[in-house]
Amino acid sequence: GAGVSQSPSNKVTEKGKDVELRCDPISGHTALYWYRQSLGQGLEFLIYFQGNSAPDKSGLPSDRFSAERTGGSVSTLTIQRTQQEDSAVYLCASSLGWNEKLFFGSGTQLSVL
Amino acid sequence: SQKIEQNSEALNIQEGKTATLTCNYTNYSPAYLQWYRQDPGRGPVFLLLIRENEKEKRKERLKVTFDTTLKQSLFHITASQPADSATYLCALRMDSSYKLIFGSGTRLLVRP
Repeated sequence: GAGVSQSPSNKVTEKGKDVELRCDPISGHTALYWYRQSLGQGLEFLIYFQGNSAPDKSGLPSDRFSAERTGGSVSTLTIQRTQQEDSAVYLCASSLGWNEKLFFGSGTQLSVL
Repeated sequence: SQKIEQNSEALNIQEGKTATLTCNYTNYSPAYLQWYRQDPGRGPVFLLLIRENEKEKRKERLKVTFDTTLKQSLFHITASQPADSATYLCALRMDSSYKLIFGSGTRLLVRP
């Protein structure tokens, strides 16, 4: 596609439910990142993929968070047993390589009630 | 501890003036710095990259400086326009690290 696509754009869920957030990177981009942005805050790094492997998952806040990437393309971020503090905008970005500029999607606004 | 600091207060300037935004960091040795623009409800958009061995980079009305002694980068927008109003984020990457670490951003408001 023309840009990084994320779905859904908005997700409202109840505390304790699991959610899946999807990211479609720009075709040909081998590097993929997930970030989290809370209201009025900067971007918090979650995980980095190079191809299908994740050499840096140091930013995942707890074992309730996991991510995978298949076929060197689409990535899914899963949050299990959601908590209210998980409410934030989850941003995905891709780049040609790990040392290149990032192209961001518009994010998924997650609200946990 | 490692920190990237951007002025949390909004910068409010008159159209036509030069806007100067600051990014300070501590306990990092970045290979390069990047600057991004973020509009409400959108993801950040890349503007400029400056490497550790570069003092200054320009692109149209934008200029970035990088002082590794002061541990500071300055981002300038000359002849500012109301359309330049947005939040500007700096980000740095260290050698051999995959992470791009972001500051919390500074909001710029350009009055007509």
